[in-house]
Formats: sequence, structure tokens, C-alpha cells
Amino acid sequence: KAGVTQTPRYLIKTRGQQVTLSCSPISGHRSVSWYQQTPGQGLQFLFEYFSETQRNKGNFPGRFSGRQFSNSRSEMNVSTLELGDSALYLCASRTGGGFDGYTFGSGTRLTVV
Amino acid sequence: GQSLEQPSEVTAVEGAIVQINCTYQTSGFYGLSWYQQHDGGAPTFLSYNALDGLEETGRFSSFLSRSDSYGYLLLQELQMKDSASYFCAGNNAGNMLTFGGGTRLMVKP
Repeated sequence: KAGVTQTPRYLIKTRGQQVTLSCSPISGHRSVSWYQQTPGQGLQFLFEYFSETQRNKGNFPGRFSGRQFSNSRSEMNVSTLELGDSALYLCASRTGGGFDGYTFGSGTRLTVV
Repeated sequence: GQSLEQPSEVTAVEGAIVQINCTYQTSGFYGLSWYQQHDGGAPTFLSYNALDGLEETGRFSSFLSRSDSYGYLLLQELQMKDSASYFCAGNNAGNMLTFGGGTRLMVKP
């Protein structure tokens, strides 16, 4: 079966712009989480969605937001981009029931210039 | 919140056994997960310990001791392809993962 699909794979944006990243989870997975990975801060949790509801949110400013659609696809948005937002953004999905591990997508590499 | 500590780098020889330790300080801790990430790749789920003890999956085993706030990942019969970064991650009540800083494993011939 298809894995977690993230688009686009690479993105270059200018400071002050906004960006929307997309994630299609594995079919049947209702929980989608987003993580930011940087060399300095490592892997940090952004938020989790389950059945179109945000269940958890990490310690990121309000410029970072997300949503989930009825088909479980998810998007995250970053407004007013800063240089420090340059990172690999990873989406992960799981069934949402008993814990069975997350399946990660290959990520979107965002570069802010 | 949670914080997890693991060594930044480990080097071992092909065919050997290596243990990557993870200590944690946490509230609301539900269990410990391990993920492997090759350079340029996505993290891949390896194992999850909800209870104390050893979980074995092929060449990989993971251990958890809640009383010691400690866990480890054991890799046996190391292969060159095992060269990667390994992350421990704590699961909290909301199934949010808090990751350690990662251990870069280098396997040498």
C-alpha cells in the first residue's frame, strides 16, 4: 500500500511569505502529526490531528497552523516566514487506535531566504 | 514535559553488537519508541516499549526500565546498512512524541 505522501518535496520561499505543505496519510490512518526537524533543535512536535480535530499542539508560535480534511489529508501553513523556519517538515500518520508506531513521510525541505 | 538524552555518536564494527542508551525525564510518560533515519530519509519506526522489559524484532531489541527512567536499543550482527541516526522518543498521553537528540551510528568494515 502507498506510504505517507508529502508535497512538495522541496520549497524555497522568501522571508515574509507564507507557505502551505500537504500530507496524504496511509489509507485508513486517521491520525496525522507534523514535526519540524532542524540540525540545531532536532525533531520537534508541531501538532496532531485526528478526525479533523487538533488534539495536541507543540510549543510553536501561532504562525504555524494546520488542518485536516474529512479524507484525513492534512495541510500545515506557516505565515510570515522567518529564516529560522528553514527546516525539514515531516508528516506522520498512524491508525489512531492502540499505539502501533508512526509512519513518516519523506518530508518537505523548506528553505527561507 | 519530557526530555530525552542519548549519546550523539557511536561507532562499531560490522558484525558486532551495539547498544544505544536513552535516559528520560518526563511526566505523563506512556512508553518509549525507537526510530531509524538514514541521511536524507524519513524516520522509520523500529520498536515500542509500553511495559518494562525486552522487546525483540529480528536483529533489533529494545529495553525499558521505568523505575530507572532508562531504555536502550540493541543492534546485533551489525551491517553497513545499519549506519544511520537512531532516535528514542517518549510517548505521552496524547500520543505526542518527544524525541531525543539522536545517535549517529557509524558501522565500519
